Amino acid sequence: GQNIDQPTEMTATEGAIVQINCTYQTSGFNGLFWYQQHAGEAPTFLSYNVLDGLEEKGRFSSFLSRSKGYSYLLLKELQMKDSASYLCAVRDQGGFKTIFGAGTRLFVKA
Amino acid sequence: GAGVSQSPRYKVAKRGQDVALRCDPISGHVSLFWYQQALGQGPEFLTYFQNEAQLDKSGLPSDRFFAERPEGSVSTLKIQRTQQEDSAVYLCASSARTVPETQYFGPGTRLLVL
Repeated sequence: GQNIDQPTEMTATEGAIVQINCTYQTSGFNGLFWYQQHAGEAPTFLSYNVLDGLEEKGRFSSFLSRSKGYSYLLLKELQMKDSASYLCAVRDQGGFKTIFGAGTRLFVKA
Repeated sequence: GAGVSQSPRYKVAKRGQDVALRCDPISGHVSLFWYQQALGQGPEFLTYFQNEAQLDKSGLPSDRFFAERPEGSVSTLKIQRTQQEDSAVYLCASSARTVPETQYFGPGTRLLVL
């Protein structure tokens, strides 16, 4: 079956670093995405990994291990505006279907 | 603006009523996706179009759900004989090409079935 697991909620302090983990079991794999979604808004793209390793983009980095079915999103220098849900998503082998996790709600406190 | 737009933003329907949700993708985008998002959950895939061809409709929950994109641009998701469990946010997303890459999401239509 298709399954993506990520923690339901996390809390971190402004200025700190937080790591949001994602494990997946899918019938196929054609890339892993991270999206940010503020309450009541549409998801917005953060990162894309298709090969193993770390992709860095400003304050955000994403890591992928295909053999372990594991990814994480690392957020540095946390800001209050980073309070949002973070969605891990896996693209199916055929390239059309994207399976989303339930999302991790991140609360950034002062 | 050049983003994905959806209308209406909010829709209240009585159980049994038919509804039609519209998506205007980013101009020139080949791929178009529809998702259903329940409160506190991630988006669930409904269907995928490549231009006007519906290549995957495996996520449509029942035959009451129907989607079309007749000219390869605007798409409509139709739900017939709505039921309370259809209440959700319906998201549309588009991407420029067919290969896996970022999807640009619209603001969604929040459907409430009473």
